[in-house]
This record gives sequence, structure tokens and C-alpha cells, in this order.
Amino acid sequence: DAGVTQSPTHLIKTRGQHVTLRCSPISGHKSVSWYQQVLGQGPQFIFQYYEKEERGRGNFPDRFSARQFPNYSSELNVNALLLGDSALYLCASSRGQGGNQPQHFGDGTRLSIL
Amino acid sequence: TQLLEQSPQFLSIQEGENLTVYCNSSSVFSSLQWYRQEPGEGPVLLVTVVTGGEVKKLKRLTFQFGDARKDSSLHITAAQPGDTGLYLCAGVNTNAGKSTFGDGTTLTVKP
Repeated sequence: DAGVTQSPTHLIKTRGQHVTLRCSPISGHKSVSWYQQVLGQGPQFIFQYYEKEERGRGNFPDRFSARQFPNYSSELNVNALLLGDSALYLCASSRGQGGNQPQHFGDGTRLSIL
Repeated sequence: TQLLEQSPQFLSIQEGENLTVYCNSSSVFSSLQWYRQEPGEGPVLLVTVVTGGEVKKLKRLTFQFGDARKDSSLHITAAQPGDTGLYLCAGVNTNAGKSTFGDGTTLTVKP
């Protein structure tokens, strides 16, 4: 079975632009979470979606938004990009919403802001 | 805000040595997870500990959850170069719907 897939793998943008990152969860997984990992730090929670509804939100500005589609895939959108948005964006899927559910991570999208 | 502190931040040892890394918090978590992340890849879940005082073993890796469910440790016996990577702990609160990660311990095992 395919793991969590994310696209694109790398992306270069300039300040002020917007970006859309995509994630396909493992088949049968209904929960998708997004994390931002800045170099040298651990992943920081951005959003969790379960059954197409937002179930958790981290401490990120409104420039960050996400949605989950009927097939459980997800998109993360970031508007008005800042230099500080440069990071590895990770998507993780799990079968259910519960926090004890094992999360399976994709290999991330490396976003660079110039 | 719940924070997880991991120590040491960096660790470089010779093959065959033993090591312990720590994950500490002032907050109580429903469970705690340990991940290993290699460059260019996403974190891979190693173990989840749920009960205070719980000890889990995964081959040469031993994980312990503190009695108060605020801290955890990872002990590796006879480290091998393949153990090299970033070890992350994550505290889970079931109702919050999110995991809180520490900043990790970067382990280098030299042959």
C-alpha cells in the first residue's frame, strides 16, 4: 500500500505570493494533520482535519488555511508568504481522530521563500 | 502552552556505545510518542507509551514513560551507524486533537 504522499516535494516562492500544498493519506485513513518544521526544530502543529471538518488548529495566523476533500485528501494554503514561512511542511494521516492513533507522515514539501 | 524539552540536543558516539536521551515537560500528556526522522524524510513512529511507568522494548531500544506521564526516556544499547538520525518525542492530548513535538535529539553513531 502507498504511504502518505505529498506534492510538490520542493517549491520556491517569493514574498507576498500564495502557495497550495497537497496531501494524499494512506487508503482508509480519514484524519489528516499538517505540521510546519523549521530547520533545527521539531514539527509544529498547524491543523487537523477529520471527516472533512477542522478538528484542531495550532497557533498560526489566518494566512494559513486548509481543507479536506471527500476522498480524504487535503490541501494546505498559505497566503501573503513571508520569509519566515520557509520550512518543511509535513502531512500526517491516521485512521481516526483520537490523539493516540498512530500517525503516518509523508516526506514533506520543502518550501523556500526568497 | 505545553512544551517538551529534549536533551541532549546533539549526541555523537562510537558504534557499540550505549546512550539515553530524555524528553521532559511540565504538563501531563495522555500518551507520548517517539519518532525517528532521517534527512529528507518525514518522521517515522517508533513507539507510543500510554501508561505512567510503562516500559516498552523494541530490539535494542527501550522506552520509558514517567510515572506522572510528564517525561520519557529512550535508551539505545550497542548503538549502530544505522541508528543515526533525529529522535523526536511528541506529547499527545486526546481531546486537543494535536501532537506537541520537542525539538529533537540529533544522534550520530560513528563506525
